[in-house]
Amino acid sequence: AQKITQTQPGMFVQEKEAVTLDCTYDTSDQSYGLFWYKQPSSGEMIFLIYQGSYDEQNATEGRYSLNFQKARKSANLVISASQLGDSAMYFCAMSDSWGKLQFGAGTQVVVTP
Amino acid sequence: KAGVTQTPRYLIKTRGQQVTLSCSPISGHRSVSWYQQTPGQGLQFLFEYFSETQRNKGNFPGRFSGRQFSNSRSEMNVSTLELGDSALYLCASSGAEAGGAETQYFGPGTRLLVL
Repeated sequence: AQKITQTQPGMFVQEKEAVTLDCTYDTSDQSYGLFWYKQPSSGEMIFLIYQGSYDEQNATEGRYSLNFQKARKSANLVISASQLGDSAMYFCAMSDSWGKLQFGAGTQVVVTP
Repeated sequence: KAGVTQTPRYLIKTRGQQVTLSCSPISGHRSVSWYQQTPGQGLQFLFEYFSETQRNKGNFPGRFSGRQFSNSRSEMNVSTLELGDSALYLCASSGAEAGGAETQYFGPGTRLLVL
């Protein structure tokens, strides 16, 4: 069975600083995908970044980068130059071979001025 | 392209009633998945439809059902509502054809409150 673990329930980060959100996963599948989503208080899940299990390069999307360490089964999200609008809940998710997403418990990020 | 839309956005029902939620995927997407989000259980997969067929199902009772129409729009039905069904119901669409790790794009969700 697949499992996603996010050990940080909440974090404070100062504006313009970088923050790393931890995510570890467990799966016996050889092919899988790792995703990060942002959920503001409005409730909508916003896709941020994707990393495939066979991708050798770490994924980057603007201020978001994914630090993928396959041997350690970790897929940490790095947000650079934090902005006030980055305050939200962040979820790490993994898809199985059928595309079904399993989510971690999430990390609440609060960006302070 | 327009994003995923869900209606209604908010809903209040009483125990024992039934409810139908609707989801329109991104144009061209044929896969629609439904998730339930509660403070206690987090995000849980309900089911996935592709080309009008249920392709994947989570661990929910039979009171939870869904369907997909030929235009890929999907509906989710919950019968005999219980207090514990109060949740945010999220719909996601993807361009996945034969399964696999296609990105799922989510709608704004429907907040259901059962009294």
